[in-house]
Amino acid sequence: RKEVEQDPGPFNVPEGATVAFNCTYSNSASQSFFWYRQDCRKEPKLLMSVYSSGNEDGRFTAQLNRASQYISLLIRDSKLSDSATYLCVVRTNAGKSTFGDGTTLTVKP
Amino acid sequence: GAVVSQHPSWVICKSGTSVKIECRSLDFQATTMFWYRQFPKQSLMLMATSNEGSKATYEQGVEKDKFLINHASLTLSTLTVTSAHPEDSSFYICSAFPGLFSYNEQFFGPGTRLTVL
Repeated sequence: RKEVEQDPGPFNVPEGATVAFNCTYSNSASQSFFWYRQDCRKEPKLLMSVYSSGNEDGRFTAQLNRASQYISLLIRDSKLSDSATYLCVVRTNAGKSTFGDGTTLTVKP
Repeated sequence: GAVVSQHPSWVICKSGTSVKIECRSLDFQATTMFWYRQFPKQSLMLMATSNEGSKATYEQGVEKDKFLINHASLTLSTLTVTSAHPEDSSFYICSAFPGLFSYNEQFFGPGTRLTVL
Protein backbone atom coordinates (compact mmCIF):
# COMPACT_ATOMS: atom_id res chain seq x y z
CA ARG A 1 0.00 0.00 0.00
CA LYS A 2 1.30 3.47 -0.84
CA GLU A 3 1.98 5.89 1.99
CA VAL A 4 -0.13 8.57 0.35
CA GLU A 5 -3.03 7.65 -1.88
CA GLN A 6 -5.08 10.00 -3.97
CA ASP A 7 -8.12 9.76 -6.19
CA PRO A 8 -6.75 8.40 -9.46
CA GLY A 9 -8.66 10.82 -11.65
CA PRO A 10 -8.54 12.34 -14.15
CA PHE A 11 -11.26 14.81 -13.42
CA ASN A 12 -12.80 16.61 -16.38
CA VAL A 13 -15.21 19.32 -15.32
CA PRO A 14 -16.86 22.35 -16.90
CA GLU A 15 -15.98 25.86 -15.85
CA GLY A 16 -17.83 26.86 -12.71
CA ALA A 17 -18.07 23.34 -11.35
CA THR A 18 -17.15 22.32 -7.85
CA VAL A 19 -14.67 19.49 -7.60
CA ALA A 20 -13.30 17.61 -4.60
CA PHE A 21 -10.11 15.63 -4.27
CA ASN A 22 -9.45 13.08 -1.57
CA CYS A 23 -6.24 11.79 -0.09
CA THR A 24 -5.39 9.28 2.61
CA TYR A 25 -2.08 8.68 4.32
CA SER A 26 -0.78 5.76 6.31
CA ASN A 27 2.07 7.22 8.38
CA SER A 28 0.57 8.29 11.67
CA ALA A 29 3.81 10.17 12.44
CA SER A 30 3.04 12.67 9.70
CA GLN A 31 3.08 16.17 11.12
CA SER A 32 2.11 18.54 8.39
CA PHE A 33 0.02 18.35 5.30
CA PHE A 34 -0.14 20.23 2.06
CA TRP A 35 -1.70 20.45 -1.34
CA TYR A 36 0.64 21.30 -4.19
CA ARG A 37 -0.18 22.10 -7.75
CA GLN A 38 2.01 20.91 -10.61
CA ASP A 39 1.68 22.13 -14.15
CA CYS A 40 2.97 20.04 -17.00
CA ARG A 41 6.77 19.75 -17.02
CA LYS A 42 7.14 22.19 -14.14
CA GLU A 43 8.08 21.89 -10.50
CA PRO A 44 5.34 21.62 -7.84
CA LYS A 45 4.14 24.83 -6.26
CA LEU A 46 2.46 25.11 -2.90
CA LEU A 47 -1.27 25.62 -3.15
CA MET A 48 -2.08 25.55 0.53
CA SER A 49 -1.24 23.99 3.85
CA VAL A 50 -3.89 21.87 5.50
CA TYR A 51 -4.90 22.25 9.14
CA SER A 52 -7.13 20.21 11.37
CA SER A 53 -9.50 23.10 11.76
CA GLY A 54 -9.89 23.33 8.01
CA ASN A 55 -8.76 26.30 6.03
CA GLU A 56 -9.95 28.27 3.08
CA ASP A 57 -8.16 30.39 0.53
CA GLY A 58 -10.56 31.98 -1.89
CA ARG A 59 -12.16 29.22 -3.92
CA PHE A 60 -10.05 26.53 -2.29
CA THR A 61 -10.92 24.74 0.93
CA ALA A 62 -8.74 22.12 2.56
CA GLN A 63 -9.68 19.75 5.36
CA LEU A 64 -7.69 17.36 7.51
CA ASN A 65 -9.03 14.53 9.61
CA ARG A 66 -6.16 13.15 11.66
CA ALA A 67 -8.22 10.37 13.17
CA SER A 68 -9.13 9.04 9.74
CA GLN A 69 -5.80 10.10 8.20
CA TYR A 70 -7.70 11.80 5.45
CA ILE A 71 -7.14 15.06 3.60
CA SER A 72 -9.40 16.78 1.12
CA LEU A 73 -9.31 19.71 -1.26
CA LEU A 74 -12.42 21.41 -2.57
CA ILE A 75 -12.31 23.78 -5.52
CA ARG A 76 -15.35 25.92 -6.10
CA ASP A 77 -16.26 27.81 -9.26
CA SER A 78 -13.43 26.14 -11.14
CA LYS A 79 -11.56 28.15 -13.75
CA LEU A 80 -9.75 27.07 -16.87
CA SER A 81 -6.52 28.07 -15.12
CA ASP A 82 -7.17 25.49 -12.40
CA SER A 83 -6.29 22.74 -14.88
CA ALA A 84 -3.24 21.02 -13.41
CA THR A 85 -2.20 18.03 -11.37
CA TYR A 86 -2.89 18.34 -7.65
CA LEU A 87 -0.51 16.61 -5.30
CA CYS A 88 -1.29 15.63 -1.76
CA VAL A 89 1.83 15.87 0.40
CA VAL A 90 2.44 14.69 3.94
CA ARG A 91 5.56 15.54 5.87
CA THR A 92 7.22 14.22 8.98
CA ASN A 93 8.85 16.56 11.46
CA ALA A 94 12.22 15.57 9.98
CA GLY A 95 11.21 17.28 6.78
CA LYS A 96 10.70 14.15 4.74
CA SER A 97 7.81 14.72 2.36
CA THR A 98 5.85 11.96 0.71
CA PHE A 99 3.84 12.78 -2.36
CA GLY A 100 0.70 11.21 -3.66
CA ASP A 101 0.58 10.24 -7.31
CA GLY A 102 -1.48 13.30 -8.04
CA THR A 103 -4.93 13.88 -9.46
CA THR A 104 -5.21 15.57 -12.81
CA LEU A 105 -7.90 18.16 -13.26
CA THR A 106 -8.99 19.50 -16.62
CA VAL A 107 -11.45 22.35 -16.60
CA LYS A 108 -13.23 22.82 -19.90
CA PRO A 109 -15.05 25.84 -21.27
CA GLY B 1 9.76 34.18 -1.20
CA ALA B 2 12.69 31.84 -0.96
CA VAL B 3 14.23 30.77 -4.24
CA VAL B 4 15.89 27.53 -5.19
CA SER B 5 17.68 27.27 -8.49
CA GLN B 6 18.87 24.28 -10.46
CA HIS B 7 21.35 23.96 -13.24
CA PRO B 8 21.16 22.81 -15.92
CA SER B 9 17.46 22.94 -16.68
CA TRP B 10 17.83 20.19 -19.21
CA VAL B 11 20.58 17.92 -20.41
CA ILE B 12 20.93 15.29 -23.09
CA CYS B 13 23.83 12.89 -22.81
CA LYS B 14 25.11 9.63 -24.18
CA SER B 15 24.78 6.42 -22.27
CA GLY B 16 27.73 5.84 -19.97
CA THR B 17 28.52 9.46 -19.27
CA SER B 18 28.14 11.22 -15.94
CA VAL B 19 25.93 14.23 -15.40
CA LYS B 20 26.15 16.73 -12.56
CA ILE B 21 23.11 18.70 -11.44
CA GLU B 22 23.46 21.69 -9.12
CA CYS B 23 20.90 22.89 -6.63
CA ARG B 24 21.33 26.28 -4.97
CA SER B 25 19.36 28.13 -2.35
CA LEU B 26 19.64 31.71 -3.49
CA ASP B 27 18.54 33.77 -0.54
CA PHE B 28 18.71 31.44 2.42
CA GLN B 29 20.94 28.81 3.91
CA ALA B 30 19.86 25.21 3.78
CA THR B 31 21.58 22.63 5.94
CA THR B 32 19.37 20.02 4.34
CA MET B 33 18.22 19.66 0.77
CA PHE B 34 16.17 16.92 -0.79
CA TRP B 35 16.52 15.29 -4.18
CA TYR B 36 13.47 13.92 -5.96
CA ARG B 37 12.95 12.12 -9.23
CA GLN B 38 9.79 12.13 -11.27
CA PHE B 39 9.06 9.79 -14.16
CA PRO B 40 6.35 10.68 -16.68
CA LYS B 41 2.84 10.51 -15.27
CA GLN B 42 4.17 9.57 -11.85
CA SER B 43 4.64 11.54 -8.69
CA LEU B 44 7.81 12.79 -7.10
CA MET B 45 9.83 10.12 -5.40
CA LEU B 46 12.35 11.10 -2.78
CA MET B 47 15.78 9.83 -3.71
CA ALA B 48 17.93 11.17 -0.93
CA THR B 49 18.36 13.74 1.79
CA SER B 50 21.46 15.86 1.36
CA ASN B 51 23.09 17.09 4.55
CA GLU B 52 25.66 19.85 4.58
CA GLY B 53 29.00 18.58 5.74
CA SER B 54 27.99 14.95 6.05
CA LYS B 55 26.91 11.99 3.99
CA ALA B 56 23.59 11.94 2.25
CA THR B 57 20.83 9.63 3.36
CA TYR B 58 19.45 7.54 0.53
CA GLU B 59 15.98 6.10 0.25
CA GLN B 60 15.54 2.39 -0.14
CA GLY B 61 16.25 1.23 -3.66
CA VAL B 62 18.36 4.24 -4.62
CA GLU B 63 21.96 3.34 -5.40
CA LYS B 64 24.28 5.67 -3.57
CA ASP B 65 27.21 4.82 -5.82
CA LYS B 66 25.21 5.73 -8.88
CA PHE B 67 23.69 8.92 -7.55
CA LEU B 68 26.48 10.81 -5.83
CA ILE B 69 25.42 13.68 -3.64
CA ASN B 70 27.72 16.38 -2.34
CA HIS B 71 26.45 19.13 -0.06
CA ALA B 72 29.61 21.19 0.30
CA SER B 73 28.10 24.45 1.47
CA LEU B 74 24.94 25.80 3.03
CA THR B 75 23.69 26.96 -0.33
CA LEU B 76 24.78 24.25 -2.75
CA SER B 77 24.06 20.57 -3.20
CA THR B 78 25.05 18.59 -6.26
CA LEU B 79 23.68 15.33 -7.63
CA THR B 80 25.89 13.42 -10.03
CA VAL B 81 24.32 10.64 -12.06
CA THR B 82 27.24 8.39 -12.81
CA SER B 83 27.38 6.17 -15.90
CA ALA B 84 23.93 7.28 -16.91
CA HIS B 85 21.69 4.91 -18.83
CA PRO B 86 18.41 5.50 -20.67
CA GLU B 87 16.42 4.29 -17.66
CA ASP B 88 17.88 7.21 -15.69
CA SER B 89 16.08 9.63 -17.98
CA SER B 90 13.78 11.55 -15.69
CA PHE B 91 12.92 14.89 -14.16
CA TYR B 92 15.18 15.58 -11.19
CA ILE B 93 14.01 18.16 -8.68
CA CYS B 94 15.68 19.45 -5.56
CA SER B 95 14.06 21.22 -2.66
CA ALA B 96 15.03 23.04 0.49
CA PHE B 97 13.46 24.66 3.54
CA PRO B 98 14.34 28.13 4.73
CA GLY B 99 13.41 27.30 8.28
CA LEU B 100 11.85 24.66 10.46
CA PHE B 101 10.91 21.71 8.33
CA SER B 102 7.47 20.82 9.32
CA TYR B 103 5.61 24.05 9.15
CA ASN B 104 7.40 26.00 6.49
CA GLU B 105 6.92 25.90 2.80
CA GLN B 106 9.17 23.52 0.95
CA PHE B 107 10.66 25.33 -2.01
CA PHE B 108 11.43 23.41 -5.13
CA GLY B 109 13.96 24.10 -7.80
CA PRO B 110 12.65 24.30 -11.37
CA GLY B 111 13.90 20.80 -12.08
CA THR B 112 16.40 19.29 -14.47
CA ARG B 113 15.16 17.15 -17.30
CA LEU B 114 17.71 14.45 -18.09
CA THR B 115 17.56 12.48 -21.30
CA VAL B 116 20.06 9.69 -21.76
CA LEU B 117 20.41 8.42 -25.30
